[in-house]
Amino acid sequence: EVQLVESGGVVVQPGGSLRLSCAASGFTFDDYAMHWVRQAPGKGLEWVSLISWDGGSTYYADSVKGRFTISRDNSKNSLYLQMNSLRAEDTALYYCAKDIGIAGGYFDYWGQGTLVTVSS
Amino acid sequence: DIQMTQSPSSVSASVGDRVTITCRASQGISSWLAWYQQKPGKAPKLLIYAASSLQSGVPSRFSGSGSGTDFTLTISSLQPEDFATYYCQQANSFPPKLTFGGGTKVEIK
Repeated sequence: EVQLVESGGVVVQPGGSLRLSCAASGFTFDDYAMHWVRQAPGKGLEWVSLISWDGGSTYYADSVKGRFTISRDNSKNSLYLQMNSLRAEDTALYYCAKDIGIAGGYFDYWGQGTLVTVSS
Repeated sequence: DIQMTQSPSSVSASVGDRVTITCRASQGISSWLAWYQQKPGKAPKLLIYAASSLQSGVPSRFSGSGSGTDFTLTISSLQPEDFATYYCQQANSFPPKLTFGGGTKVEIK
């Protein structure tokens, strides 16, 4: 059974930093691209970032480019999101999501999410 | 960036009804489109990918169609467990700038 378990979400002040983690199990982690997708409270879904199966290629939404960094450790079956220069508008539930293939761009499994609140 | 526009934003329907949700892309995306279902407090669930391919385990009452800029999700006979919010998502752009529609809430009439 595929499982994705996010952690690391907390309340952080504007301008602060945070690192989210996602532990994956139930599939061959290094066969798939992985994503972060977020959802602000009561709002819709926003894709945040994509990393290729080997970590060699990364892509970001314009809203986070230059502030967030996606990475992965295939030896630990783990995905990460380093978030710097956080803003109030980054407040959201952050989901880790598995790509349907090497980078098909569709999300076939999701975690339960971890809540990031940016507030003073 | 490619903008995705869903309509309607909400729909009231009864069990057994046929429900159709549309999604329009701001430019052609071939068949690079997915549909997701999200229930309150839960993560989204993939229903349809590549515009019309049914994800494994998804009931056959869900179907998708379209290509280019106009797409449709149809629920042929609405069931109680189908009351949820539905999102379309495009995967055509490269470098990837994946975008979602604003969502359609399917409510009980």
